[in-house]
Amino acid sequence: AQSVSQHNHHVILSEAASLELGCNYSYGGTVNLFWYVQYPGQHLQLLLKYFSGDPLVKGIKGFEAEFIKSKFSFNLRKPSVQWSDTAEYFCAVIAYNQGGKLIFGQGTELSVKP
Amino acid sequence: ETGVTQTPRHLVMGMTNKKSLKCEQHLGHNAMYWYKQSAKKPLELMFVYSLEERVENNSVPSRFSPECPNSSHLFLHLHTLQPEDSALYLCASSQFSGLATEAFFGQGTRLTVV
Repeated sequence: AQSVSQHNHHVILSEAASLELGCNYSYGGTVNLFWYVQYPGQHLQLLLKYFSGDPLVKGIKGFEAEFIKSKFSFNLRKPSVQWSDTAEYFCAVIAYNQGGKLIFGQGTELSVKP
Repeated sequence: ETGVTQTPRHLVMGMTNKKSLKCEQHLGHNAMYWYKQSAKKPLELMFVYSLEERVENNSVPSRFSPECPNSSHLFLHLHTLQPEDSALYLCASSQFSGLATEAFFGQGTRLTVV
């Protein structure tokens, strides 16, 4: 079945470590790509999005993601994480051939140790 | 504050009860959504409304019944639920449904079915 896959369920890092969270999708054609973050007890917030243009997208709080069309990937990166980045991260895709629905991956829980 | 408000925040109901979840958006958006968030699973899209018309019903059991009386309000009516329906129910809205649009989420209603 077509889907959005996040490779890591739980990632544990120390402060100042670099972060890369993987996201792959299986939809062909035109896609929009998103990373959302859910801090403990809070609502889902948009970190960054890709609609078109430069495949390297910069978001809030120092996060960035790179769209690699040939790999069907949209990995999230941050060069130096902070304790406050502890949260759950969700990759999501809108695919034109899926009727424009926003489809989510299963999420990656990030724990940053101070 | 995202501009999407859900009430109640927490709800405990018996399997024979009838209750309703409410969502209100103050963003002037034309599309609204219900998602179900269960532990360790991707967010599941349940319903999509665009301009107050239901455009997506993602094989959701009939014990969940949505209602969209206007573009600012969305309800999810619940009756004869099962314990496995316990989850976080998220409402979202976007300018329109489909590509090139960003979804804004409410904080969710934590539902427990006993």
